[in-house]
Amino acid sequence: GNSVTQMEGPVTLSEEAFLTINCTYTATGYPSLFWYVQYPGEGLQLLLKATKADDKGSNKGFEATYRKETTSFHLEKGSVQVSDSAVYFCALSDRGGGSNYKLTFGKGTLLTVNP
Amino acid sequence: EAGVAQSPRYKIIEKRQSVAFWCNPISGHATLYWYQQILGQGPKLLIQFQNNGVVDDSQLPKDRFSAERLKGVDSTLKIQPAKLEDSAVYLCASSQLQGLRSSYEQYFGPGTRLTVT
Repeated sequence: GNSVTQMEGPVTLSEEAFLTINCTYTATGYPSLFWYVQYPGEGLQLLLKATKADDKGSNKGFEATYRKETTSFHLEKGSVQVSDSAVYFCALSDRGGGSNYKLTFGKGTLLTVNP
Repeated sequence: EAGVAQSPRYKIIEKRQSVAFWCNPISGHATLYWYQQILGQGPKLLIQFQNNGVVDDSQLPKDRFSAERLKGVDSTLKIQPAKLEDSAVYLCASSQLQGLRSSYEQYFGPGTRLTVT
């Protein structure tokens, strides 16, 4: 079956530090890949996505590249801000052998950015 | 554009009681999902509707959980009777017509935090 493994947290950084959150996946087909972010007390929001190999998703200074050869979709940001403090979820969308696409999530990584 | 609405935001019940959650998806979204998010874990799909039909309920504990989407718009998720392990955040999401493209974005509501004591 499909699965997503992401870096265990929590991750604590100082403002303006470089961020990497690792994500690898296992899928039966050719999935689309996503990063969702969950701010305290809020629902999940799509941060970025990539739909095929070598695609780069980007948004709000965050980037992730779909690497089929390493089955990875690592999230990066060059300079984090206090407002980036949240839980980040890596996810994939695939049929998984069925007839409809569904999202499979990783466990989430808590990021805390200190001023 | 209004987002996905859920109510209540918080609910505390005793075990063996029943509870219901309500979701109103984004207007025009054909597909609606209910997820269970246990503390420290990613969301797990419980059930997926396309219009008012069930597409996937393979991970729904059908002995105690039920869901319906009458008229293909609003949806309710019910738990009866609740167990301690049902304590979680229940998320509702909606998307455009699913099953055709893997890249359709799911839009999530704020969730209902359920505590079973």
